[in-house]
Amino acid sequence: DAMVIQNPRYQVTQFGKPVTLSCSQTLNHNVMYWYQQKSSQAPKLLFHYYDKDFNNEADTPDNFQSRRPNTSFCFLDIRSPGLGDAAMYLCATSPRQGVRPQHFGDGTRLSIL
Amino acid sequence: AQSVTQPDIHITVSEGASLELRCNYSYGATPYLFWYVQSPGQGLQLLLKYFSGDTLVQGIKGFEAEFKRSQSSFNLRKPSVHWSDAAEYFCAVATTSGTYKYIFGTGTRLKVLA
Repeated sequence: DAMVIQNPRYQVTQFGKPVTLSCSQTLNHNVMYWYQQKSSQAPKLLFHYYDKDFNNEADTPDNFQSRRPNTSFCFLDIRSPGLGDAAMYLCATSPRQGVRPQHFGDGTRLSIL
Repeated sequence: AQSVTQPDIHITVSEGASLELRCNYSYGATPYLFWYVQSPGQGLQLLLKYFSGDTLVQGIKGFEAEFKRSQSSFNLRKPSVHWSDAAEYFCAVATTSGTYKYIFGTGTRLKVLA
């Protein structure tokens, strides 16, 4: 009964080759977040969706894009991955109203060859 | 500026010993505070949260945390650590302007000796 599902768990891509990571949720939450987490570091917020409204963090590189076709799904697109983009990518969700805990998926570990 | 500090990068305890992980925050308004645990290769799991009310909050897996406004702290405790508690622990404060976002601490990695 996983609630935030990330696919794939492990992704290997080549330098410069576009890659898409997927997140789905069964919680019907309005807000979906994407984080990048490098080894031994805290998660770093890349962007989030508030329903269909996209909110980009000021320091997120243009190389990172996101799509949310419906409430349940959200995608992270890396247009031209560089070696520095190798990381764990975490998806999280939360309800819209009030301060509520975020629910995290198990992440996708991205490796760049 | 809003920030969360976890002073201890690594902590090692023996199984059965007590544990305290420190978290200090800097936030102008009433803080909404969280502790998460992350096992290797996994996502973050919520241990407990503080929004208001009783300053001692109970969480899952036998963890508790105490909010001390005067010290700007939200330390996590467990009376007796189990080997399965070995993981990375993150403290976070939620911003309350616009969509709620987390400010994470840098994490504390816990090692448990048998």
